[in-house]
Amino acid sequence: DGGITQSPKYLFRKEGQNVTLSCEQNLNHDAMYWYRQDPGQGLRLIYYSQIVNDFQKGDIAEGYSVSREKKESFPLTVTSAQKNPTAFYLCASTYGGANNEQFFGPGTRLTVL
Amino acid sequence: AQSVTQPDIHITVSEGASLELRCNYSYGATPYLFWYVQSPGQGLQLLLKYFSGDTLVQGIKGFEAEFKRSQSSFNLRKPSVHWSDAAEYFCAVGYSGGGADGLTFGKGTHLIIQP
Repeated sequence: DGGITQSPKYLFRKEGQNVTLSCEQNLNHDAMYWYRQDPGQGLRLIYYSQIVNDFQKGDIAEGYSVSREKKESFPLTVTSAQKNPTAFYLCASTYGGANNEQFFGPGTRLTVL
Repeated sequence: AQSVTQPDIHITVSEGASLELRCNYSYGATPYLFWYVQSPGQGLQLLLKYFSGDTLVQGIKGFEAEFKRSQSSFNLRKPSVHWSDAAEYFCAVGYSGGGADGLTFGKGTHLIIQP
């Protein structure tokens, strides 16, 4: 079955450490997105990528980095520069364009200890 | 820039009662509109979407939504809710000019079902 996988489901990190969240899709989608979700804040866009080897900052990119070396993969690194990284992170993909629905992964909950 | 407003942070409905969740968007041209549902600790699932044509759209799980251009609204409805409908609901909008940065989401409405 096609879909989006995110791993791990739960992640714990000590302050000052970088951590990488995985996102893989086998839907042959061109565009991929990373969102951060906090209670009462909805979804906020961190980074997005329309094609391989290209990506753009979203609304809250500071303290995060991404790469898009393969069409199927769009990993997100939460760096030590991110002041408040504890949150639920969602990855999504789409064929591209505003009229196409986004398909979401199950999410990763990151907790900084 | 486009924006989406979901005025109700929480809504409590009795099981078997009807439901309406409100969504208002701000954008000049015809928007592409979506409703998603999220169960606790899960990703988002698409309920329905509107692009053009019939302004009343049917979705999964017995949901429907009506696009009203004059009110800039896209409210979600269900005639009779079930306990399994308890979840977070998100309205989202895309615009026809590009969409490279994806959809804009509302902050969500938390639906509580009373027995």
